[in-house]
Amino acid sequence: AQKITQTQPGMFVQEKEAVTLDCTYDTSDPSYGLFWYKQPSSGEMIFLIYQGSYDQQNATEGRYSLNFQKARKSANLVISASQLGDSAMYFCAMRGAKGGSEKLVFGKGTKLTVNP
Amino acid sequence: GAVVSQHPSRVICKSGTSVKIECRSLDFQATTMFWYRQFPKQSLMLMATSNEGSKATYEQGVEKDKFLINHASLTLSTLTVTSAHPEDSSFYICSARLPARETQYFGPGTRLLVL
Repeated sequence: AQKITQTQPGMFVQEKEAVTLDCTYDTSDPSYGLFWYKQPSSGEMIFLIYQGSYDQQNATEGRYSLNFQKARKSANLVISASQLGDSAMYFCAMRGAKGGSEKLVFGKGTKLTVNP
Repeated sequence: GAVVSQHPSRVICKSGTSVKIECRSLDFQATTMFWYRQFPKQSLMLMATSNEGSKATYEQGVEKDKFLINHASLTLSTLTVTSAHPEDSSFYICSARLPARETQYFGPGTRLLVL
């Protein structure tokens, strides 16, 4: 069974600083995908970044980068130059092997607060 | 990214009534859509996978007769909560995956309150 673990219920960061949100995963699938979503108080789930298990390089999308360490089964999200609008819940998720289940399994989330 | 809409965004109903929630992919066709439920301060839990033209696949513990899913077209899936009770009050959110792409895009969600 697939499992996502986010051990940080809450994180605080000063505006303009970088922050790392932790995510570890467990799966027996050789092929999988890892995602990060942002959920502001409005409730919408905003896609941030994707990393495939066979991708050689860490994914980056603007201020977001994914620190993918396959051997450690970790996929931490790094947000650089934090902004007040980054305050939200952040969820790490995993999708199983292609051709199999497409469903996403989510972690419990981390609430990020950016202080001015 | 792709656009997924949901309607209504918020609904309040009396216990025993049925509520229909629509999920639409606005700028792409989605053969598969997903329905999630999120209770306050908790994560998203998948309820069912909606497949166009065929029956939905429900997760363990989700009552298929209570949560009716219809995926009548490549751009529309509906979730009907039948005979809703206060314990069904939750945030329901759908997602759709772009064909040949990895990412699931989510609708804005529907907050259901059953009195």
